[in-house]
Parts: sequence; structure tokens; C-alpha cells
Amino acid sequence: DAGVIQSPRHEVTEMGQEVTLRCKPISGHNSLFWYRQTMMRGLELLIYFNNNVPIDDSGMPEDRFSAKMPNASFSTLKIQPSEPRDSAVYFCASSLSRGNSPLHFGNGTRLTVT
Amino acid sequence: AQSVTQLGSHVSVSEGALVLLRCNYSSSVPPYLFWYVQYPNQGLQLLLKYTTGATLVKGINGFEAEFKKSETSFHLTKPSAHMSDAAEYFCAVSEQTGANNLFFGTGTRLTVIP
Repeated sequence: DAGVIQSPRHEVTEMGQEVTLRCKPISGHNSLFWYRQTMMRGLELLIYFNNNVPIDDSGMPEDRFSAKMPNASFSTLKIQPSEPRDSAVYFCASSLSRGNSPLHFGNGTRLTVT
Repeated sequence: AQSVTQLGSHVSVSEGALVLLRCNYSSSVPPYLFWYVQYPNQGLQLLLKYTTGATLVKGINGFEAEFKKSETSFHLTKPSAHMSDAAEYFCAVSEQTGANNLFFGTGTRLTVIP
């Protein structure tokens, strides 16, 4: 089991540029979550999918953020255009879609927008 | 609605001393409860979880937590702290009915003093 795989591990970009973060969930997991972690706000749930369908995107900060899950083994989180306040660590997690199933987290993407 | 409160954003203990990290939850339905640990530059890892049955739950690395419904608490303990326990710890809750998205506390950073 390779775990949840996120890429890239680090991303440095200039304000206004498009950023795409990628996630490969654990095979067989049918729920996928995107979180953002900052010192000020802690862990924030941005969006989650069940069976590739977005269930709750109320945590997505604004229209500059979008997430897709075209198939069970891949998801992207896109920021366009990026802003310095988007700088954070973005985590992807996957699980089985049962309430007692723990989330398995990737190692995160550290995004810096200058 | 669910929420988690972790008392104390920073806790320091001496090596060999008892570790106690506090977590109180709010949930309108019976909860599932989790503790996660985050080491620097890594994602969150599951320490232990309570679903049903025995209220004292044992996890990895010698940690355990007790679900106390009357106190709406799920405090994390370890009898003897080790230097390698220094990390950030997150308590989380999800509902036994409905979606499996987790609500996280703000985290407690544990420092172990040699």
C-alpha cells in the first residue's frame, strides 16, 4: 500500500499564476478530501468527494479554487489566479465512505505564492 | 452540528512524565472519535479511534484515550513521554450517521523536555 500520494511536495509561484495540486488516493477508497493547513486557521476542509462526486464544497474559499475528480484514482485542486494569502500546506486524504473509517493523509503540498 | 475543542494549544512535559492532551466534543448524534498525530513536514497519521464498544481505546506508540459520554470528552494519555512523542496532536469527530467527513480540533503541540 503506497498510501495517498500528493504532488508536488513543494510549489513556489508568483501571484496571478495558475497552480495545480495533484492527489492519488489509496486504491479502493471511495472518499477523497482536500484540506488546507495554516498557522492562523489550522486545518480547514475545502471539499470532499464520494465516488468521484463532490459532496460538500462549502469550504472552498472562493471561485479561484476548483477541484475535480475525473476518476477513482486521481484528483486535482486548482487555484487560478493564485494570491499570496493562498500560501499554505494542502493535504489530500482518502478513506472508505463509512463514518468510522479513518482518513489516510498524504504528505501534503507546501504552496508559497510570492 | 459537530465541533471539537482542544484545551491548550501547547503542552510541555518532561521525558518520562505523564502525557495528557484534552479533547471535548459536541455532537447531536453518537460520535466517532479520532486522535491523529502530525510530525513536522508530514501528513496526519491515525493514533487511535473510538467507534463503539469499549470506551478505553488503545492506539499506537503507547497512547490510549477514554470516551466519556457524560463529560463529552475523549482525552489522550500516555503514561511515560518519550522524546519521539514531540509532535502536534489533533482530535476529530464524525457522526455515526451520515457522511464521514471529520471535524478537527485546532491541535495541541506537545513538547518533551529531556
